[in-house]
Amino acid sequence: SQQGEEDPQALSIQEGENATMNCSYKTSINNLQWYRQNSGRGLVHLILIRSNEREKHSGRLRVTLDTSKKSSSLLITASRAADTASYFCATDLLSGTYKYIFGTGTRLKVLA
Amino acid sequence: DTGVSQNPRHKITKRGQNVTFRCDPISEHNRLYWYRQTLGQGPEFLTYFQNEAQLEKSRLLSDRFSAERPKGSFSTLEIQRTEQGDSAMYLCASSHWTGDAQETQYFGPGTRLLVL
Repeated sequence: SQQGEEDPQALSIQEGENATMNCSYKTSINNLQWYRQNSGRGLVHLILIRSNEREKHSGRLRVTLDTSKKSSSLLITASRAADTASYFCATDLLSGTYKYIFGTGTRLKVLA
Repeated sequence: DTGVSQNPRHKITKRGQNVTFRCDPISEHNRLYWYRQTLGQGPEFLTYFQNEAQLEKSRLLSDRFSAERPKGSFSTLEIQRTEQGDSAMYLCASSHWTGDAQETQYFGPGTRLLVL
């Protein structure tokens, strides 16, 4: 089964609004990463947050990590039509196999 | 830096045929990963290499699947006796691992396989 699950599965917002998506995972991790995937294309790395970090920013992106709740959130502020994509969280397990386990994704649609 | 490239981008084959995909990682990246992604799902880990050594294989990787990275640079993924259930996007990623457990994987555009 997937390690991570994103919530919601799908999200539709107006351009300019903020979009928040959540990721929950099951076992302790070293890092958590967020990726974006445009329709039918490869994944683009957005941001990495370590297990000892609680919040990280990159441009219009803000990621939080709560290891006690085994959850992370990705906030995209002032969304644009170009942000329309699927967003995945990926975790690497503390057990150290160095492979990333991806969640099921949130499909974001930003309406112009 | 030209990024990770994969060839072919699309492959249509008949059930029972063998197919081979190629991945060229970012130069000097020592790790290379293969994932499989089906519609509406996240990528599923298949296998990964550190240099030329294959360090881990998923249970998803049946004996019909084999991957190589002979010189620690490009990699090939071969599927023998393809089945319709093998239809998916096959993604390759590479990273420069330095041992500090902070590793960003850079993905290629994928090879979309359709088995008829």
